[in-house]
Amino acid sequence: AQSVTQPDIHITVSEGASLELRCNYSYGATPYLFWYVQSPGQGLQLLLKYFSGDTLVQGIKGFEAEFKRSQSSFNLRKPSVHWSDAAEYFCAVGARGGADGLTFGKGTHLIIQP
Amino acid sequence: EPEVTQTPSHQVTQMGQEVILRCVPISNHLYFYWYRQILGQKVEFLVSFYNNEISEKSEIFDDQFSVERPDGSNFTLKIRSTKLEDSAMYFCASRQLGLAGVNEQFFGPGTRLTVL
Repeated sequence: AQSVTQPDIHITVSEGASLELRCNYSYGATPYLFWYVQSPGQGLQLLLKYFSGDTLVQGIKGFEAEFKRSQSSFNLRKPSVHWSDAAEYFCAVGARGGADGLTFGKGTHLIIQP
Repeated sequence: EPEVTQTPSHQVTQMGQEVILRCVPISNHLYFYWYRQILGQKVEFLVSFYNNEISEKSEIFDDQFSVERPDGSNFTLKIRSTKLEDSAMYFCASRQLGLAGVNEQFFGPGTRLTVL
């Protein structure tokens, strides 16, 4: 069965500083990988996704993520965070084909310091 | 931009009552999903639905839960006899039948269910 680990429950970053959120997955083959963001009281918004091809993927709001097969990782990065980036970030893995539901990590709560 | 919608945004019910949560998926999507998120915890898959039948369900989706697509647009989740532990945010999602099984799901804003 697939699983996702987000080792950091909380991360605090100063506004303007760079950000990296970690995500490790367990899956028997090359998975589909996603990062979603959830603002307080809101739904889940897709930031970016990896299906195949270039291992560095660009998303919305200036985010990017890099798929590293050797490390089973899909870390999310942003070169300079804004106060509006404060939110909960979820990494998720999906199986190829079929109607399988996504498996989510427990999330990382991002706090932005002024 | 098309989006998944859910009603109501917040539902309060008494333990043992039946609730129906409603979702309108994106119109050309063919796969539909329900997830739940207990407060402060991760999002958990409940069930997927395709071609008018359940495709997959998790161990959470027991006999108290059912899903239905009663018409061409709505997708519902019914909980027959609610328990306190059913209190959670319930998300509906949908996806298009993509090439090579591409699995990008679009989520609705959620329904917060509170069981008293």
